[in-house]
Amino acid sequence: NAGVTQTPKFQVLKTGQSMTLQCAQDMNHNSMYWYRQDPGMGLRLIYYSASEGTTDKGEVPNGYNVSRLNKREFSLRLESAAPSQTSVYFCASAQLRGGSGGSPLHFGNGTRLTVT
Amino acid sequence: GNSVTQMEGPVTLSEEAFLTINCTYTATGYPSLFWYVQYPGEGLQLLLKATKADDKGSNKGFEATYRKETTSFHLEKGSVQVSDSAVYFCALSEPTGGYQKVTFGTGTKLQVIP
Repeated sequence: NAGVTQTPKFQVLKTGQSMTLQCAQDMNHNSMYWYRQDPGMGLRLIYYSASEGTTDKGEVPNGYNVSRLNKREFSLRLESAAPSQTSVYFCASAQLRGGSGGSPLHFGNGTRLTVT
Repeated sequence: GNSVTQMEGPVTLSEEAFLTINCTYTATGYPSLFWYVQYPGEGLQLLLKATKADDKGSNKGFEATYRKETTSFHLEKGSVQVSDSAVYFCALSEPTGGYQKVTFGTGTKLQVIP
């Protein structure tokens, strides 16, 4: 019962470096999401994928790119890291059911990223 | 746009005390409402949900009722335990443009002392 698995758990980058955060879910969910969590700001949506083969921008997409590799995997890439991207990143998945907003999100345990 | 407002923490209670965490929302449509809990070093987990007005969500002794007239979804528990210490997030969700748009509150940290 792995649920949503994120790697790595921790990462330290220097300004300008790049990295990819990996996420995989084993619940056969159709939609996947990337959030960042910052103190006092709750969670903010970076990108989402409503279904395999589609991705779209969320609330704070600048500086990030994503790839929905298949139904299970959704990666987040930082091309040129900046100190403002220091945050905790969470991947989540949910099974969308036509027109209903009642499906809960299932979260991974997060990646704690520090950019110096 | 949608928004969720939660009471600011931290909230510190003694074991067996009564808990209320207030949550109010603004939404244009008919959202579903959720409470998520986050333990240290972990992701958020669903605690309970309600999908329409007057529904009551409950789980592990926690309850919340979807009140459309007051646009509220307050979290309550009759007797808290040390193990309930965590951060609690209120959230609303609406299906929008083919995905699930979720708006989170800023979270309320609860500390329960023995």
